[in-house]
Amino acid sequence: AQSVSQHNHHVILSEAASLELGCNYSYGGTVNLFWYVQYPGQHLQLLLKYFSGDPLVKGIKGFEAEFIKSKFSFNLRKPSVQWSDTAEYFCGMFSGGYNKLIFGAGTRLAVHP
Amino acid sequence: GAVVSQHPSRVICKSGTSVKIECRSLDFQATTMFWYRQFPKQSLMLMATSNEGSKATYEQGVEKDKFLINHASLTLSTLTVTSAHPEDSSFYICSASDRAYGYTFGSGTRLTVV
Repeated sequence: AQSVSQHNHHVILSEAASLELGCNYSYGGTVNLFWYVQYPGQHLQLLLKYFSGDPLVKGIKGFEAEFIKSKFSFNLRKPSVQWSDTAEYFCGMFSGGYNKLIFGAGTRLAVHP
Repeated sequence: GAVVSQHPSRVICKSGTSVKIECRSLDFQATTMFWYRQFPKQSLMLMATSNEGSKATYEQGVEKDKFLINHASLTLSTLTVTSAHPEDSSFYICSASDRAYGYTFGSGTRLTVV
């Protein structure tokens, strides 16, 4: 079976702090990996995606993620967060074998000025 | 970029009635669309995978007779909540697949059954 785990449910940071949100997936085959962000009252927006190639993926708003196949991980990072990054972040996985796009439980990030 | 339009954004209906939610890909063709349900402060739970021209694939525990999915064209999928009950109140979100952009999400539909 396939699954996505996000270990940090709530993260609180001060502005300018560095961010790393964990994401691990469970699936033995080829996967496409995503990070989406949901700002309060808004719909999901794509931050970045990994299909193949360079495992270090750069997305919008200064976010990046690294696909480490041996660890089944796709952690999201940002060197310096801003108050406007306050949102919920979802890690998603699509596997061709199951033909499904599923998500982890989400991480609620609060950035204090 | 790819845009997915979901309509209506909010709907209130009486218990026992049916509600249809539309999901349209505006500038690309989507052979596959996904329907999710999101409870307050929780993640997106995949309900079903909608494939154009064929029957939807439902996740375990999702009643296919209650949540009817139709994907009659490459740009439109509909979710009909039949005989709605208060426990069906939730936030429903669709997503359409576009190879260039990945998966684009609609803005969601908040259903309230009274």
